[in-house]
Amino acid sequence: DTGVSQDPRHKITKRGQNVTFRCDPISEHNRLYWYRQTLGQGPEFLTYFQNEAQLEKSRLLSDRFSAERPKGSFSTLEIQRTEQGDSAMYLCASSLDYRQGGGYTFGSGTRLTVV
Amino acid sequence: AQRVTQPEKLLSVFKGAPVELKCNYSYSGSPELFWYVQYSRQRLQLLLRHISRESIKGFTADLNKGETSFHLKKPFAQEEDSAMYYCALLPRTGNQFYFGTGTSLTVIP
Repeated sequence: DTGVSQDPRHKITKRGQNVTFRCDPISEHNRLYWYRQTLGQGPEFLTYFQNEAQLEKSRLLSDRFSAERPKGSFSTLEIQRTEQGDSAMYLCASSLDYRQGGGYTFGSGTRLTVV
Repeated sequence: AQRVTQPEKLLSVFKGAPVELKCNYSYSGSPELFWYVQYSRQRLQLLLRHISRESIKGFTADLNKGETSFHLKKPFAQEEDSAMYYCALLPRTGNQFYFGTGTSLTVIP
């Protein structure tokens, strides 16, 4: 286990299409997070899982976005009917209980371009 | 509401010079503060957290609650310090980080 893996690294899609991203966290990490980063901005929180339970969602996560973490392992983030404003880097991170250890371990991200 | 401000988008210093990356925050409670770094073509990674009170790669950061600041400092900058630096706040009762917009540090040889 070499870290948090995200697939694909890049995705170009036409407006209106659906896309799905995958994140494989560090195996012993029970917490998984999705963030979005647009140009010139820091990462912005989207959603958070503890094991398989989705415990928190940002208002940024519109009805077109859905995230799952079946069996508390990998997670998927789906965007339906993509819009140009969805173009961003989508970052996944995982952690143990942060109060016991360090911060997040981030993946390399999936860069989405909606044309 | 929580907010993290990094006033400098770009910062250039000469090798061997001191460097300070500014971070100010607003939060009604007592937060945890972190610095994350992203080197070219690498993923975002934790640099240091204030409660550890440690020095990582020569960097230190002190939480000043009076000034609500968490500036990152290094006495002698090295070329390998060139990177994007993000300050982040974690509320005591929350699960999400609030990131600043980042400062791009360039160390000139």
